[in-house]
Amino acid sequence: DGGITQSPKYLFRKEGQNVTLSCEQNLNHDAMYWYRQDPGQGLRLIYYSQIVNDFQKGDIAEGYSVSREKKESFPLTVTSAQKNPTAFYLCASSPLPGGNQPQHFGDGTRLSIL
Amino acid sequence: GEDVEQSLFLSVREGDSSVINCTYTDSSSTYLYWYKQEPGAGLQLLTYIFSNMDMKQDQRLTVLLNKKDKHLSLRIADTQTGDSAIYFCAESMGARGSTLGRLYFGRGTQLTVWP
Repeated sequence: DGGITQSPKYLFRKEGQNVTLSCEQNLNHDAMYWYRQDPGQGLRLIYYSQIVNDFQKGDIAEGYSVSREKKESFPLTVTSAQKNPTAFYLCASSPLPGGNQPQHFGDGTRLSIL
Repeated sequence: GEDVEQSLFLSVREGDSSVINCTYTDSSSTYLYWYKQEPGAGLQLLTYIFSNMDMKQDQRLTVLLNKKDKHLSLRIADTQTGDSAIYFCAESMGARGSTLGRLYFGRGTQLTVWP
């Protein structure tokens, strides 16, 4: 079945620690996105990538980093510089932008502080 | 095109119709989407409408678009308890430079269906 897989489902971070959230898709989509969701809030865009080896900052990129070495993978690292990392993180992908290209979402990773 | 507004809560009785409203600001938006999020899960695409359409119906779902007022609504007929979820509207900016493919989301409407 084609889809987007995020792992782990739950993740805990200690003070000063970097953690990496995994996002893999087998939909052959060119574009991938990372969002952060806080309770009662909409989705805020962290980073997005339209093509391998290229990515752009979204609205809240500070304290996060990404890489796009393979088309199917777009891992997100939450660095120790992100002082309030507790949130639900969603990864999405879409075909090359243009026309009707809705984003497809994974099931999310919930990150908490220990 | 970055301000998408939705009311936060809606409660309806099972069997009634639900209407979830959304306003957006960018008249150049091309596609508008409705997503559903169940607790602890990702977003599931429900339906979409192209900006040159007024209405789209898909089984129990009806989407109405008023371009003049930049108002989008999602009507769910015969609402069931399984429809309880958060519903997000999102607008696509289409092909506009560096924002290619970006969606702008509202804060979501929590729909609660009472038996």
